[in-house]
Order: sequence, then C-alpha cells, then structure tokens
Amino acid sequence: QSALTQPRSVSGSPGQSVTISCTGTSSDVGSDNYVSWYQESPGKAPKLIIYDVTKRPSGVPDRFSGSKSGNTASLTISGLQAEDEADYHCCSYVGNHIRVFGGGTKLTVL
Amino acid sequence: QVQLVQSGAEVKKPGATVKVSCKGSGYTFTNYHIHWLRQAPGQGFEWMGIINPRGTGTAYAQKFQGRITMTRDTSTSTVYMELSSLISDDTAVYYCATTGDGLYHFDSWGQGTRVTVSS
Repeated sequence: QSALTQPRSVSGSPGQSVTISCTGTSSDVGSDNYVSWYQESPGKAPKLIIYDVTKRPSGVPDRFSGSKSGNTASLTISGLQAEDEADYHCCSYVGNHIRVFGGGTKLTVL
Repeated sequence: QVQLVQSGAEVKKPGATVKVSCKGSGYTFTNYHIHWLRQAPGQGFEWMGIINPRGTGTAYAQKFQGRITMTRDTSTSTVYMELSSLISDDTAVYYCATTGDGLYHFDSWGQGTRVTVSS
C-alpha cells in the first residue's frame, strides 16, 4: 500500500484535459514544496515531468502543469495527445533522504 | 548527458542474495548521489536508499535495514545494490536514479533491472 493516494486510472479524448490527484498528509505532500511527477511508459526509464510542485524540466511540453492545495498535489495534462498515454507517479520528499510515492495512475487516451 | 546503465535481469531462489549494478556516465561520478528504488508488479515506486559516491555514507529505508548494502567503485563509476534473504515479495524492477543538481527529485534513471524471486 503506497503512502500517497492516486486514482488507479483516468482517461480523456485527444485535445481534452485531465487532472491526476495525489493525496498525502501534512507530513509529506503538505509539509513542503518537494512534490515531483514521473511518466512511466513501457520499456522506457521513468521520466521526470514536474518537480518542486510546479516546475517543468527543459523539454517537457507546457501542456503538463502541476499544482498543490493542502495535502493534495495535482498533475494536469491539457491538449491530450496519444503519446501521453502512460502511467504517472507522484512523489514527495519527507526528509532524511526519504521519498514516498503514490501507487501510480494509468492514463488512457481514448 | 547523465546516463545510468544497469545490469541485466536476475532470477533468484528464496533466501538468496542479488547484486545489481548501475554504471554512470556523462557526468562526474562523484558529484551526484545515487538512489535505489523498486517497483513491484502493479505497484508504485518504493525508495530503498541512497549512496554518496564520494564514499561518505549510505542511508537505507528502515524496511530494508539489515539486508541491504550499497557500495561503489569509483574506478568504474559503478554503484552496487545488494539485497539478501530474498523473498517472493522482493520480485520487482529495481532502478537506480540520481537527483543531479537538484536535491529532491530524480532527473535521471537507469533502465531498470528485473529481479524475480521464485523457487
């Protein structure tokens, strides 16, 4: 059982927007701004797409955005594309090098 | 750019020990800490521990204390993760990753090493 709670699956049609939530506690997601998101595609290494709640690494399209309210972080993907179909994982730093993750959310592009 | 290349898949019997390697390239090996994580089938990622390639220390998740060891060989820019007393629940894909110049997120990952524990 993962420390952070994500929906098992979400779906959307091309061009639409989807939001994936990541709920933790005041000890992890709610304690600081060190939430990151990773995209996992079959046969590929996980890819960082959002860090420090809202920041995008170079090369990640601005269709991907992150936010946080209280103990819940969110990843929004706008203008869905077929290539966005993947699993998405949230992660929170909790101190002393330790990170906790969500169980992952499978995004299906209809 | 930073590249992490891991060793190949392993099949082990319960009670055995597995040792997975992670070779770094494209950066100064001693500059970035290496973390180990794993993902069991159908599950999320699980953080296992961290090693400082400068040799100044390791830190392990409490869950793995006593049966995990991380080491490094600076001459080959390689870190190793050894997990002993394997059980079926250790069946997972194991990843190494770095935080690079950041501190709190993983910006480079290895390709993963599948470890299967089965009698």
